[in-house]
Amino acid sequence: LAKTTQPISMDSYEGQEVNITCSHNNIATNDYITWYQQFPSQGPRFIIQGYKTKVTNEVASLFIPADRKSSTLSLPRVSLSDTAVYYCLVGDFTGNQFYFGTGTSLTVIP
Amino acid sequence: EPEVTQTPSHQVTQMGQEVILRCVPISNHLYFYWYRQILGQKVEFLVSFYNNEISEKSEIFDDQFSVERPDGSNFTLKIRSTKLEDSAMYFCASSSRTAEQYFGPGTRLTVT
Repeated sequence: LAKTTQPISMDSYEGQEVNITCSHNNIATNDYITWYQQFPSQGPRFIIQGYKTKVTNEVASLFIPADRKSSTLSLPRVSLSDTAVYYCLVGDFTGNQFYFGTGTSLTVIP
Repeated sequence: EPEVTQTPSHQVTQMGQEVILRCVPISNHLYFYWYRQILGQKVEFLVSFYNNEISEKSEIFDDQFSVERPDGSNFTLKIRSTKLEDSAMYFCASSSRTAEQYFGPGTRLTVT
């Protein structure tokens, strides 16, 4: 089971690009990398998922190097409403367990 | 947009009582999960369920816990004899044949 490591917290000014890196050294061949966002007292919300290289959607980009031992979530031009905890998860498509790490608490400062 | 729903939103129970937390996953999803989150802590995996049986469970999911999909739409988590330390937010999630899980809004369980 691939364990993930992320920074505990980050601060950023509004309008800046934020990059959050996650380490997953023992990722398995079948594993995908998924990022979730969680606001207080709410369930985690899917942000983006990838297997390798780069994935982009309307809210974020995900960069995955060739060795897949890490990944970086990039949030362009953050706003105050992006203040949340961001979790990196690694798992496959068989519906098995996903372990949330401690996540990264992002605080966006005006 | 389809969503996972959970009831009740808040459940207060006395220690030793049984509780059943209910979830309605997204209708075409195949995999179902329960997680819990103690206040101020990380989200913890409890159990995954597929094809009417438990796929995996964590060490938290002991004999006091059980899950059931009684009627093809609901997915329930039962805690047989609640303890104070079971107080937490319980999240249900479901997914199709991808690793993208959709989470419900959670049930806040308070054990007194």
